[in-house]
Amino acid sequence: DGGITQSPKYLFRKEGQNVTLSCEQNLNHDAMYWYRQDPGQGLRLIYYSQIVNDFQKGDIAEGYSVSREKKESFPLTVTSAQKNPTAFYLCASSGLGAATNEKLFFGSGTQLSVL
Amino acid sequence: QQQVKQSPQSLIVQKGGISIINCAYENTAFDYFPWYQQFPGKGPALLIAIRPDVSEKKEGRFTISFNKSAKQFSLHIMDSQPGDSATYFCAASWRGTGTASKLTFGTGTRLQVTL
Repeated sequence: DGGITQSPKYLFRKEGQNVTLSCEQNLNHDAMYWYRQDPGQGLRLIYYSQIVNDFQKGDIAEGYSVSREKKESFPLTVTSAQKNPTAFYLCASSGLGAATNEKLFFGSGTQLSVL
Repeated sequence: QQQVKQSPQSLIVQKGGISIINCAYENTAFDYFPWYQQFPGKGPALLIAIRPDVSEKKEGRFTISFNKSAKQFSLHIMDSQPGDSATYFCAASWRGTGTASKLTFGTGTRLQVTL
């Protein structure tokens, strides 16, 4: 099945620990995104990437890091600098052409909680 | 800076009733207005979208009404069903080719359809 796979579904972080969320897509999309979802705040963009080995900060990049070594993969690391990491994290992908860059395909998310 | 304002935050509708969710935007450069539907524990999925050259778009029981002069658009769900219970996000973006998505999301509306 074509789509986006996020893992793990649930993740717990201890204070001072870095954790990495996985995102893999087999849609052959060039662009990938990470969003953070908090109750009542909608979806906020953390990072996005348009091409391998390149990525751009979104609106709330502080305390997060990403890499794009392969077209299919876009992992997100939540660092210890992120003081309020508890949230639902969503990975998405899209094309880059006219119209194809407008439709985002989302994974099923990772719920991150702090122990 | 919230460029897309969504209301209400939550909505309870009886089965068979009409659900209405409203959004307002500020950036007049926006030219694409989608609605995403999200079920608990899942990622959002594109439901329906409209461009500003039309005032209404209908797909089955779902209709987008668009008012360019007022910079407002709304989602109407006719004959609401319990299976429609989900969180709905409006969004807006401007068209570009060769670039990643520019979607800005509203804060979401949690819809509950009761029997």
